[in-house]
Amino acid sequence: DQQVKQNSPSLSVQEGRISILNCDYTNSMFDYFLWYKKYPAEGPTFLISISSIKDKNEDGRFTVFLNKSAKHLSLHIVPSQPGDSAVYFCAASENTGNQFYFGTGTSLTVIP
Amino acid sequence: NAGVMQNPRHLVRRRGQEARLRCSPMKGHSHVYWYRQLPEEGLKFMVYLQKENIIDESGMPKERFSAEFPKEGPSILRIQQVVRGDSAAYFCASSLLPGGSTEAFFGQGTRLTVV
Repeated sequence: DQQVKQNSPSLSVQEGRISILNCDYTNSMFDYFLWYKKYPAEGPTFLISISSIKDKNEDGRFTVFLNKSAKHLSLHIVPSQPGDSAVYFCAASENTGNQFYFGTGTSLTVIP
Repeated sequence: NAGVMQNPRHLVRRRGQEARLRCSPMKGHSHVYWYRQLPEEGLKFMVYLQKENIIDESGMPKERFSAEFPKEGPSILRIQQVVRGDSAAYFCASSLLPGGSTEAFFGQGTRLTVV
């Protein structure tokens, strides 16, 4: 029933190195994908998105890659900073859909 | 430039009471979504509304829960006769366009505790 999956509940990375967060989905009708960052006791903050017509979108230190054939997307953060420590949620939607489907999140810790 | 505003931030209710959660979307946004996050879980869709209309309530429990987005004023998520299992963080999001090819922006959430 979970159409968007984040199989790694947590990830630790050294400051300055690359963080790679992964996300898989099952619904081939999804055509828009988003990443959100969430600090404790706050709402999710939109980070970056990608349409299914693209395979890469970059915004500063954040790059999202989409592999439609594998139904897989990833978020790369480079270089990682301690302030990036948060829970990252992957989300997906259909062009004619009514909702965003969220993964269960990956908790990223960037070690100074 | 105000973002999505939710209030209250924290709400404590006794079992059997009613909880009302409010959400004012970003200026110009007419699409509102409510999500619930239970402890140690991800965000679960509850309902999608446009002004004066419920478009999709497939994620909302059939009983005790209702939502509205009137022509004037904030969107309201109402939980009647709350039970301990309703304790969760409730997030509202809004978007400029219908969910599908646009970003949704979230509020800070309302943390409901049922005692």
